Amino acid sequence: GAGVSQSPSNKVTEKGKDVELRCDPISGHTALYWYRQSLGQGLEFLIYFQGNSAPDKSGLPSDRFSAERTGGSVSTLTIQRTQQEDSAVYLCASSLPRSGKYEQYFGPGTRLTVT
Amino acid sequence: SQQGEEDPQALSIQEGENATMNCSYKTSINNLQWYRQNSGRGLVHLILIRSNEREKHSGRLRVTLDTSKKSSSLLITASRAADTASYFCATAYSSASKIIFGSGTRLSIRP
Repeated sequence: GAGVSQSPSNKVTEKGKDVELRCDPISGHTALYWYRQSLGQGLEFLIYFQGNSAPDKSGLPSDRFSAERTGGSVSTLTIQRTQQEDSAVYLCASSLPRSGKYEQYFGPGTRLTVT
Repeated sequence: SQQGEEDPQALSIQEGENATMNCSYKTSINNLQWYRQNSGRGLVHLILIRSNEREKHSGRLRVTLDTSKKSSSLLITASRAADTASYFCATAYSSASKIIFGSGTRLSIRP
């Protein structure tokens, strides 16, 4: 079946502009994660959605970052007033933990460059 | 801060040798997973070990977990050029909690 997809694959934006990144998880997966990865670094947790529970937003670095998940499926990560330090690869992953399947399936990522 | 820390940060070995990477974490966990990442893009799940397990095998991979030391190791036997990648451990403190990744080990296999 289809895996996790993300769009766009690359995004170049000017400092101060807003951007929206999209994630389509695997159908039926209840958990969805957003991570950020700077060049050569590990994955920085941003936000976690699990079913109808309130999302865990503890990793969002500032109030310029927000995310929503509509209908328990597609998710959008929005970065307002982008800064150069926001440049990174943004990765989305989904899983089905309530069925004991904790492994995450990752999308290919969106490479964001803020000029 | 990250939950897990991998050691070493970088490892270069000859093809055919075994590669061992370690992961330490801070709090009690429900499970620990290892992932591989090629070319800085999406990660691929390799193996999961639960907190009540001590060792698991999958092909050329062997994972151990020592909950008393809060550490895990990933052993890749008979390494191949295709094993060149970054390897990350990831931990979850409950079955429904977020998963936190470590900083990764960059593995290079020399032909």
